[in-house]
Amino acid sequence: GQQVQQSPASLVLQEGENAELQCNFSSTATRLQWFYQRPGGSLVSLLSNPSGTKHTGRLTSTTVTKERRGSLHISSSQITDSGTYLCAMGAASSSFSKLVFGQGTSLSVVP
Amino acid sequence: AQTIHQWPVAEIKAVGSPLSLGCTIKGKSSPNLYWYWQATGGTLQQLFYSITVGQVESVVQLNLSASRPKDDQFILSTEKLLLSHSGFYLCAWSLRGDSDYTFGSGTRLLVI
Repeated sequence: GQQVQQSPASLVLQEGENAELQCNFSSTATRLQWFYQRPGGSLVSLLSNPSGTKHTGRLTSTTVTKERRGSLHISSSQITDSGTYLCAMGAASSSFSKLVFGQGTSLSVVP
Repeated sequence: AQTIHQWPVAEIKAVGSPLSLGCTIKGKSSPNLYWYWQATGGTLQQLFYSITVGQVESVVQLNLSASRPKDDQFILSTEKLLLSHSGFYLCAWSLRGDSDYTFGSGTRLLVI
């Protein structure tokens, strides 16, 4: 079945450093959607783009569909950015979509 | 604005007891609806999806069932809980098959 691999599994940064999170997927994706998972478990959608580059605030998502990979860049990290980042690949048929999640990257930003 | 509400927020249930989790979407007509499950420390897995009232398709077999009795309501249930049902359940909607998903706040279930 479709698989999504995220790397690194965990990352520790000093405040102000940049973070680069990677996502590789096993089959053709219609889009890549990035989420932040709060400690309680709920998901916050960050960015979604089928291909190319998209920005919002300090976040940049880049998807290279032909190479089956994507990345999330977080610039000038802040302590409040700490948490789990999930990458999800969309694979749509004509009638439904299946969003397949990676196992996540745990980010810790320290002073 | 669209809202998605899940209930209950958390449950502690005994093995063998029944379960019903609910999800309501307001402000969106005929959305695609989904149930996801995450074991503690695990990866989110899609359990069910529904593209219209009365029609639900199973993606992963976990001795659970789902129903869509109304356009804006999605129910996850089982008659007999197993220990392995513990985890975090999330409901989501999307406008079409290839559009972004929006998730509810989730229900945390502990089966003892």
